[in-house]
Amino acid sequence: QVQLQESGPGLVKPSQTLSLTCAVSGGSISSGGYSWNWIRQPPGKGLEWIGYIYHTGSTYYNPSLKSRVTMSIDTSENQFSLRLNSVTAADTAVYYCARDVRSFDIWGQGTMVTVSS
Amino acid sequence: DVVMTQSPLSLPVTLGQPASISCRSSQGLVYSDGNTYLNWFQQRPGQSPRRLIYKVSNRDSGVPDRFSGSGSGTDFTLKISRVEAEDVGVYYCMQGTYWPRTFGQGTKVEIK
Repeated sequence: QVQLQESGPGLVKPSQTLSLTCAVSGGSISSGGYSWNWIRQPPGKGLEWIGYIYHTGSTYYNPSLKSRVTMSIDTSENQFSLRLNSVTAADTAVYYCARDVRSFDIWGQGTMVTVSS
Repeated sequence: DVVMTQSPLSLPVTLGQPASISCRSSQGLVYSDGNTYLNWFQQRPGQSPRRLIYKVSNRDSGVPDRFSGSGSGTDFTLKISRVEAEDVGVYYCMQGTYWPRTFGQGTKVEIK
């Protein structure tokens, strides 16, 4: 059973870079047919898709965040990562990683990131 | 981007009674492979979203059969035949046909 686990700092200062990692267990991140995604949810609000990365390193980002987002993948460590730069209070949210096969079938438990000085 | 519009946004329901949530997409969701990638998720308080339904009407493993999905084209529905206390939470539709993936605003189901 594939499981995902997010990790990273819970507090980031404004204008700095948010960095998170999603560890994949119970299966290989190199399995074909899946994209590996980041999704976020501001407190009390809905879900916003951030972007995906394939095991090949191919990426696609939400146009609304594209200028600030970078995703990477480490197949040897079976994990993928998110970097979001120039953060503001509007980036405060629970960040989820999820596997996509035209549907987010597996989600991590989420990690809360607060942007504050 | 494909806009997903849910209604209602709040749904108070009596235990044991049915509930229905509508989801409309701004364009058709049939993919080139002939499948319609419309999904439903449940998010209980304090938890991650959990997929309930994929490809319009297919229930995930472990999902009670009181949950059902239907629809086609741009109009889709999630029904709960008899609401139980554990069904409290927010329900989201989401389209997986196009990038970027987009979600509905969410429908909050609560017990009257």
